[in-house]
Amino acid sequence: EVQLVESGGGLVKPGGSLRLSCAASGFSVSDYIMNWVRQAPGKGLEWVSSIIITNSYTYYADSVKGRFTISRDTAKNSLNLQMDSLRAEDTAVYYCARVSSGWFGNFDVWGQGTLVTVSS
Amino acid sequence: NFMLTQPHSVSESPGKTVTISCTRSSGSIASDYVHWYQQRPGSAPTTVIYENNQRHSGVPDRFSGSIDSSSNSASLTISGLRTEDEADYYCQSYDSGNKVFGGGTKLTVL
Repeated sequence: EVQLVESGGGLVKPGGSLRLSCAASGFSVSDYIMNWVRQAPGKGLEWVSSIIITNSYTYYADSVKGRFTISRDTAKNSLNLQMDSLRAEDTAVYYCARVSSGWFGNFDVWGQGTLVTVSS
Repeated sequence: NFMLTQPHSVSESPGKTVTISCTRSSGSIASDYVHWYQQRPGSAPTTVIYENNQRHSGVPDRFSGSIDSSSNSASLTISGLRTEDEADYYCQSYDSGNKVFGGGTKLTVL
């Protein structure tokens, strides 16, 4: 079964750091563009970051550029998101998602999400 | 950079047809694929339409997608509405290296 399972969410103080992980099963993360998408409480979806595994090209939303780092662990078949200098506005459910094919494909597989709360 | 604008909410009765629009603020709607997602409360989004008008596997043919260059918008149409269609719907496209979501539309079936 194709599946994504996120972990690592929790409560962190403003200015702190957190590392999210996303374990993939049923497919290889090396074969797809992998992404993080977030959703603040009661709000819409916001794309956060993408990584093209084969060449390690990375892309970030302006709102997180310079603070978040996306990476992959091909040995563990997983995706990571290192989040530094966290702000209250980063509070959200963070979803790991796979793009179906190429850059212009849809997000065809989603994890269940992990909640990040930034608060003092 | 461009934005995708959706109505905040729509409502319709069971059995009727509803259309949700997604208007691109700049650039042509036809220049990049538009995908549509359904999100029920407490769940992750799932694809209903991909590449403007392709139904995702398992999605009933009551769901259809289209684009209209004259209004620079994409549309998701749901016919024969059922109570289980009540959800939030999001359009999504691309802007250079970024992926762009619309603000979402809450569909109420009453």
